[in-house]
Amino acid sequence: GAVVSQHPSWVICKSGTSVKIECRSLDFQATTMFWYRQFPKQSLMLMATSNEGSKATYEQGVEKDKFLINHASLTLSTLTVTSAHPEDSSFYICSARPGGGPYNEQFFGPGTRLTVL
Amino acid sequence: QKEVEQDPGPLSVPEGAIVSLNCTYSNSAFQYFMWYRQYSRKGPELLMYTYSSGNKEDGRFTAQVDKSSKYISLFIRDSQPSDSATYLCAMSRQQAGTALIFGKGTTLSVSS
Repeated sequence: GAVVSQHPSWVICKSGTSVKIECRSLDFQATTMFWYRQFPKQSLMLMATSNEGSKATYEQGVEKDKFLINHASLTLSTLTVTSAHPEDSSFYICSARPGGGPYNEQFFGPGTRLTVL
Repeated sequence: QKEVEQDPGPLSVPEGAIVSLNCTYSNSAFQYFMWYRQYSRKGPELLMYTYSSGNKEDGRFTAQVDKSSKYISLFIRDSQPSDSATYLCAMSRQQAGTALIFGKGTTLSVSS
């Protein structure tokens, strides 16, 4: 159980285009989903936290107009990188947290590698 | 000072060795402590979690938390080549739904 999928697993796009990444919890309902970015040999850096049906909370330094997050249902969150540039090339990972209980366990997706040319 | 510090390694050991991985942290509000394993180009998978101080054992893995020293450890006994991966420590505060703060990860290589 507790499987999180991401689509696509990798994407290459031209500079200036927009890219949408989907994150789905396959066998549980996720009240909260998180989006992380990971550069080579670096740790996961939290970009934003989204709760179903409400606006995402962005971390300091993350442009909310550039990284659009939609958490429309309890099993789906999307991250859209708008007007992507080469510096946005990174490994984007989502995680999902089941509702209820005090424990903060999060289940991670397999990640999406974005390359902007 | 970063909230979570972790030596990135790399750490190379022979098969069968005992591995010790560590993290230090500065925020005394952290209550939940986790260890994740991440293979190259994959998402992290949860190995162990501990609430507050103490030890927890699961098979070959033992997690220790010393809140007084703000120090956590993961021990791997009888290490196997399949344990070769990056190990990330993560922690969060008491409130449910708060985000995880990750260490940089330690890259481990176990040679046969």
